[in-house]
Amino acid sequence: KNQVEQSPQSLIILEGKNCTLQCNYTVSPFSNLRWYKQDTGRGPVSLTIMTFSENTKSNGRYTATLDADTKQSSLHITASQLSDSASYICVVYRTNAGKSTFGDGTTLTVKP
Amino acid sequence: NAGVTQTPKFRILKIGQSMTLQCTQDMNHNYMYWYRQDPGMGLKLIYYSVGAGITDKGEVPNGYNVSRSTTEDFPLRLELAAPSQTSVYFCASSYISGGPSDTQYFGPGTRLTVL
Repeated sequence: KNQVEQSPQSLIILEGKNCTLQCNYTVSPFSNLRWYKQDTGRGPVSLTIMTFSENTKSNGRYTATLDADTKQSSLHITASQLSDSASYICVVYRTNAGKSTFGDGTTLTVKP
Repeated sequence: NAGVTQTPKFRILKIGQSMTLQCTQDMNHNYMYWYRQDPGMGLKLIYYSVGAGITDKGEVPNGYNVSRSTTEDFPLRLELAAPSQTSVYFCASSYISGGPSDTQYFGPGTRLTVL
């Protein structure tokens, strides 16, 4: 069964601190993995995309990693800001399919 | 470009009523999708379309219908609303589907409550 599991379910950190979000998947055949940021009341917005051959990719203070052998990905946020408070969703896309599998997301709260 | 627009933003329905959620994109994307997101849960695919005149079921299609007569529009129809359809509905579009260079662009969502 194609599944995407994210942890933790929720996380509270202080402004300026770093954090790491985890994503484990069993989706096959794998095409690529994306991390989305979803602000409250808004649609998801793509942060990064990881293909099979990529191990690390950065987008500003966001760094995503991918281990295709263990089927794990992480999203590291550096020097968090209040605006980072959102839900972060891991999505895995299958090869040659019009469908993708979404994780339930990690809700991050950054406090001053 | 407006991107992906959805109307209405909010709607309350009574059990058994029908309605159509509208979705329009101005990016000339081939693929369009409808998702629902229940509180604290991930997005579930309802239907998707690979181009005008072509639609296919996603994970949770029961109780919904779609049509795609133009590239720009992808309306979602609820025929007999049920409380289980209370959710936030997101429309998305992409140029291709799932490829490394593809990105799904999401609309702002429609919050639907069925009482």
